[in-house]
Amino acid sequence: KAGVTQTPRYLIKTRGQQVTLSCSPISGHRSVSWYQQTPGQGLQFLFEYFSETQRNKGNFPGRFSGRQFSNSRSEMNVSTLELGDSALYLCASSTSGLATDTQYFGPGTRLTVL
Amino acid sequence: SQKIEQNSEALNIQEGKTATLTCNYTNYSPAYLQWYRQDPGRGPVFLLLIRENEKEKRKERLKVTFDTTLKQSLFHITASQPADSATYLCALGAQGTGFQKLVFGTGTRLLVSP
Repeated sequence: KAGVTQTPRYLIKTRGQQVTLSCSPISGHRSVSWYQQTPGQGLQFLFEYFSETQRNKGNFPGRFSGRQFSNSRSEMNVSTLELGDSALYLCASSTSGLATDTQYFGPGTRLTVL
Repeated sequence: SQKIEQNSEALNIQEGKTATLTCNYTNYSPAYLQWYRQDPGRGPVFLLLIRENEKEKRKERLKVTFDTTLKQSLFHITASQPADSATYLCALGAQGTGFQKLVFGTGTRLLVSP
């Protein structure tokens, strides 16, 4: 089975711009979660989608949004980028998103905001 | 506020020794705890999950303990090898959510020298 893929792998944007990141989960997985990873804060949960519905959301401002498509692929969008949004954005998929499911992470998208 | 602490300093050990990593948490009552391994430039990889009613879990050279009284988990790698060098993250799952909403520690870097 192919693993979780994320595109693009690297992205450079300037403050005020918006960005869309894409995640393709493992075939058959219906849950996709997004995380932000920074050296200071570590991995922080953004949101989780299952069957095109957001089921869980972390403590991030409304500039961070996401969606999931019927084929389980997911996108996350960050509007009005700030310098502090520079981070590694990771998505993870699991079969049903249950608390004890194994999550499989993608390689991440490295976002740099200038 | 909820806090998960892992030793931010790198742990240096010699090949063949047992590595022990610590995960402490406060103001939190997790139903389960997971350990992940992360290599540079890659997403985390799931290693082990231990539930609150389990004291110990083993998988090959890995062993995890979970003490809900001490609010601590210990992660052991026996007969360590240079290939075990990586950052190890602990993640706590909340009780009752049913869905994946993991809270991660910032990780401890392990360096195993030949």
